[in-house]
Order: sequence, then C-alpha cells, then structure tokens
Amino acid sequence: AQKITQTQPGMFVQEKEAVTLDCTYDTSDPSYGLFWYKQPSSGEMIFLIYQGSYDQQNATEGRYSLNFQKARKSANLVISASQLGDSAMYFCAMREGKAGNNRKLIWGLGTSLAVNP
Amino acid sequence: DGGITQSPKYLFRKEGQNVTLSCEQNLNHDAMYWYRQDPGQGLRLIYYSQIVNDFQKGDIAEGYSVSREKKESFPLTVTSAQKNPTAFYLCASSIGEGGNQPQHFGDGTRLSIL
Repeated sequence: AQKITQTQPGMFVQEKEAVTLDCTYDTSDPSYGLFWYKQPSSGEMIFLIYQGSYDQQNATEGRYSLNFQKARKSANLVISASQLGDSAMYFCAMREGKAGNNRKLIWGLGTSLAVNP
Repeated sequence: DGGITQSPKYLFRKEGQNVTLSCEQNLNHDAMYWYRQDPGQGLRLIYYSQIVNDFQKGDIAEGYSVSREKKESFPLTVTSAQKNPTAFYLCASSIGEGGNQPQHFGDGTRLSIL
C-alpha cells in the first residue's frame, strides 16, 4: 500500500492565485515528519518546507505553507500568489520513526504544477 | 558556495559496461544517499551511508555498488548486472538521518544505454 499518496497528477493555476497540492500519508508511528520538495524541469530537487508530527502549528516558509490535518493524515502544500517560476513537479515525502533508527524518506509520485500567465 | 556536485550531467553506457556516477558534497554532512527516478515514479532509494566507511542497501540496490571512503564523496557504480539502467540519478546528503533535517540534492545525472 502507498504510504504517501498524491492524488493530483497535474494541476493548473493562474498566475498570482493560490493553489493547494494534496498529500495524504499512512503511518502508525506517532513520530514522523513530512517534507515537500520542488523539482523544476532542470531536475534538481529543492527542499521547500517541513512539518513534524508533534508540531503544534502549521509550517510556513515565505509563500509556502502546510495545511497539516493530523486526524485526516493529510499535509497539503499551499502556494500563495503563484509565479511562473513555480511551474514544476512537487513531491511530498515522509520520514517515520525515532532518531537513530533507519529513517528513510518515503516519496509520493508527485504533482505537476503549471502556472498560466 | 556549499552544495552537492554530481557529474557527469549526461552519461551513456554500452552493453556489459560498468559506469560510475560521481557525487561530492562540501556541506560537511554525515549522511549521503543515492536515488533513482523513472518517469511517472517517485524517488527510489538505491544506497545510503550514515558515516564514512559504512553504507546500507536501499530498496533497489541490485546491480549497483557504492563506496564511502571519504566524508565528502559517495560514488555510485552502475554495473552490467543492472539490466535497465536508463534513469535519472539523484545524490543527496543530510546533516543526520533523522529529525527535521532535510536532504539536499545535487543536479542529477541522466544515464542512458547506447
């Protein structure tokens, strides 16, 4: 079973509007972290934002924010005021378990975002 | 500037040939990782290393080998045993392997079969 599910293969948004990219996860571990990465067409993977399972507040980094709904096991990325340069693939990833164990990142399949001028 | 350098950017492999992808980091990170990315799929972990002279297999290690003789370097060899090597390979590093530490990535190497 998929541990990280990104249900939107592709999304379109108008420049300057906000967009939400969905991510749901599956874990029975109470300690976990969720990451969002951006991959432009050039290929490099760029870290955007992190949310820990015990964090009381939703994470924010500039125009990026995380809508973290723990009971629903969702960690949706919100991009405000979209820019043309936001066009890219976006990946959600999860790390389970306590520090010191094998704590690999588990990756979703990604969402392709296109920002229209 | 600190970062991760992968080389070459493009690589072509002939049948029966081993090829080595380079990954160097000057971030003083302990942990390093190799991922494979195929079209329409997420990243799959090939190998990872938490400290020098130690590494572990990831989810798809067959047909690949690595070494970690220096903290800065984590080269990946794609052996002739890997029958479908055409993919985009990403190297990453992180301060540690846990907590809120993100992995930082290089620009990737695209490997194709001739």
